[in-house]
Amino acid sequence: DSGVTQTPKHLITATGQRVTLRCSPRSGDLSVYWYQQSLDQGLQFLIQYYNGEERAKGNILERFSAQQFPDLHSELNLSSLELGDSALYFCASSVIGAGDEQYFGPGTRLTVT
Amino acid sequence: GENVEQHPSTLSVQEGDSAVIKCTYSDSASNYFPWYKQELGKRPQLIIDIRSNVGEKKDQRIAVTLNKTAKHFSLHITETQPEDSAVYFCAASANSGYSTLTFGKGTMLLVSP
Repeated sequence: DSGVTQTPKHLITATGQRVTLRCSPRSGDLSVYWYQQSLDQGLQFLIQYYNGEERAKGNILERFSAQQFPDLHSELNLSSLELGDSALYFCASSVIGAGDEQYFGPGTRLTVT
Repeated sequence: GENVEQHPSTLSVQEGDSAVIKCTYSDSASNYFPWYKQELGKRPQLIIDIRSNVGEKKDQRIAVTLNKTAKHFSLHITETQPEDSAVYFCAASANSGYSTLTFGKGTMLLVSP
């Protein structure tokens, strides 16, 4: 157990819908990262938040957005869902940021039908 | 930005053999190199990492080596066991600014009894 929690574990929804994925970082960690992992694909970095502020952006679609709240939990919002958005979405956290160990949550498996 | 190449994509060994996975990176500013192990359907787990001020690090049966001049680093697993079977990811990042982890595409290690 890494100390990073994610909910829900599984999510099944239809194309065009909107979903919210939630992540709580390890105690004491200020940075939260979101990654997408599609079938047979590696880990694609989406976005990083540090202490409530957006810190870095990767290959995140405009239909996706995220935020980090004052209690440091983070939410990833996915809208206008397409079949290709079906994937495992991982959240990771670290103490500060660059060069720190990142610890991953158990992931949310999103299936878009 | 950073680009991380990982080889091989699949590696099959017999129990007790050694396994070596190699990665190259492109950004000379990178100085933090973690390795993650991911079992099927599970979260990536940090198993070892190395920073650019050392050339080698060992933890029981696993070791990582780093050659900054050649911009490559490797994971070595000795006396492999069936429970080592998983996908292994290398990653690289700089230790400053807004740098984030860039992952390789992964190596599926299969250890046969």
